Parts: sequence; structure tokens; C-alpha cells
Amino acid sequence: ETGVTQSPTHLIKTRGQQVTLRCSSQSGHNTVSWYQQALGQGPQFIFQYYREEENGRGNFPPRFSGLQFPNYSSELNVNALELDDSALYLCASSFRQGVVGGEAFFGQGTRLTVV
Amino acid sequence: EDQVTQSPEALRLQEGESSSLNCSYTVSGLRGLFWYRQDPGKGPEFLFTLYSAGEEKEKERLKATLTKKESFLHITAPKPEDSATYLCAVQGYTGTASKLTFGTGTRLQVTL
Repeated sequence: ETGVTQSPTHLIKTRGQQVTLRCSSQSGHNTVSWYQQALGQGPQFIFQYYREEENGRGNFPPRFSGLQFPNYSSELNVNALELDDSALYLCASSFRQGVVGGEAFFGQGTRLTVV
Repeated sequence: EDQVTQSPEALRLQEGESSSLNCSYTVSGLRGLFWYRQDPGKGPEFLFTLYSAGEEKEKERLKATLTKKESFLHITAPKPEDSATYLCAVQGYTGTASKLTFGTGTRLQVTL
């Protein structure tokens, strides 16, 4: 077990709706990253939070946003859902010391289906 | 931009038949190269981190090696329970610390 838990495990939403996915990081980890994994592809970096501030973003539009809380939990919010947003969403926590990022430990993921 | 290419896309082995998976990468300064195992519908499970060329790490039937351009994951005498997708990822010195750039993975199937 990685100590990283995500909820819910599965979710079905309608195009145009909004969704919030949740993650509880491993205790002591100060960095959380979110990834999107389409079927048959490797995970794609969405963004990262370090000490509750967004610290970097991949090639995803602003309708993807997030939060990190002091209790090691975090959220990924997606507005105006599109069919292409259907994917496995992964949360990864790690301990970053200065500019060096450590090993990332992943949760089990949330399978989002947009219909 | 960091890039990772994995080959082959899929590999079918008989139990006990050893083989190697390849991960080629380009990165602006390598902080670390990571191997993960992923079972269907699950999150990636951390296996190894390699930091510099020449480094090797082993865990049970798996051994990871690193050169300046590629990494290999050697599987010795595999068992059916080793069937999974193996993902390679790099972390570079430019851009966001802790960001991982993944390849598309190698789907390994081990049969009796």
C-alpha cells in the first residue's frame, strides 16, 4: 500500500458538467501531482502543488484546476466536461526537498467517464 | 521537452523465458529515471529509481540498468504474476520539480 487514497473510484458525468476528484496524500509528503491517463497511454502531467501552491502545469486548459490543503489532501476540479476528458485520473504524492523531487507514489486512480 | 519511448509495445513470454524491456529517453539533465508496474485499472506501483549512468538495481526477478540514453528492465525467469504494463518515466532538471514524463509502457504477458 502506498498510503495514497483517491475518491471516488469510478464516476460517470454528463458533458458540460463539473467534477471534483479527491486525494489523500501520504503523511509527510509536501508535493502532490495529478496525471491523466487515457486508455493505452502513459500518464500525462496535469499540474503539481507544493506547499499548497500550484508549482507547475502541463498542457491542460484552465478548466482543470486544483487545491492542496494543509492536511495532505488535495482536489482536482474539472469544469465544462468534454467527452475527451474520459480517462483514469491519478494522484501522486512525493517529498520534495529544495529543487529535488523524490519518488512519486500513486493512488489507485479515479475512472471518469463523460457521456 | 523531455521524451520517453518504450519498446516493445507488447511482449508475450512463456514462464521462465527471460527478456528485457527498453526505455529510451531525452531529457535536459536527468534528475532520475523511474520504473513503475501497472495492473489493469490500477495506479502505477513504484519499482526503481536510477540516478546516474552505470547504476543498477534489483528486486526479485527484476533488474533495472541505466545508460546515458536508455534504461533496460531485465526480467529473469518470469512468472504469470509478473504480467502487467511496465512504465518508464524521467524527471529532468528543467521545468517543474517532481514532474514525471512517462512512456506509453510495455504490456507484458507471461503464460504457463
